[in-house]
Amino acid sequence: DAGVTQSPTHLIKTRGQQVTLRCSPKSGHDTVSWYQQALGQGPQFIFQYYEEEERQRGNFPDRFSGHQFPNYSSELNVNALLLGDSALYLCASSLGPGQGAYNEQFFGPGTRLTVL
Amino acid sequence: AQSVTQLDSHVSVSEGTPVLLRCNYSSSYSPSLFWYVQHPNKGLQLLLKYTSAATLVKGINGFEAEFKKSETSFHLTKPSAHMSDAAEYFCVVSHMYSGGGADGLTFGKGTHLIIQP
Repeated sequence: DAGVTQSPTHLIKTRGQQVTLRCSPKSGHDTVSWYQQALGQGPQFIFQYYEEEERQRGNFPDRFSGHQFPNYSSELNVNALLLGDSALYLCASSLGPGQGAYNEQFFGPGTRLTVL
Repeated sequence: AQSVTQLDSHVSVSEGTPVLLRCNYSSSYSPSLFWYVQHPNKGLQLLLKYTSAATLVKGINGFEAEFKKSETSFHLTKPSAHMSDAAEYFCVVSHMYSGGGADGLTFGKGTHLIIQP
């Protein structure tokens, strides 16, 4: 089992550009959540996808959008990049509703985004 | 709304001595609580979880935590620190949907654990 995988591992962009980050969930998982971890801070919840729809969203602007594919993999898109978007972006996968009382989230290694 | 406060940004202990990392939470619902560990350049790893079963929860690597509803606390302890325990520790709160599954996680700001030889 490969666990949660993310690509790319590192990315450098300039202000105003757009970026797409990718995540493949752990085998058997159908729910994907995205988090932003700024340097020296705890991760902050961006949104969660289940059944190809955004199920829940944190306090992030509309510049942050996502997508989930039929194979449960997911993308995070960020438009009009700002310097403050520089962070480690973490993807986590879990089982969806109806598959257990509590569904642990397993984290990938993250994508380090630097905005210049 | 839910939130987590980790009371110490840094904790330093000597190898072989006890570890205490403090966490208080706020939640409008019956919470699920977790501790995650993040080693440098590695992913987040779940240490232990509380999901309304036993209030004393045992995790991996000798860590345990006690859920105290009256104090809204979920402190992490370990009897004897090891050099390999040096890392960033996050206290996390979530809640479950009525049909199962879980909310997005709310993380504390983290406690940096330093182990002195």
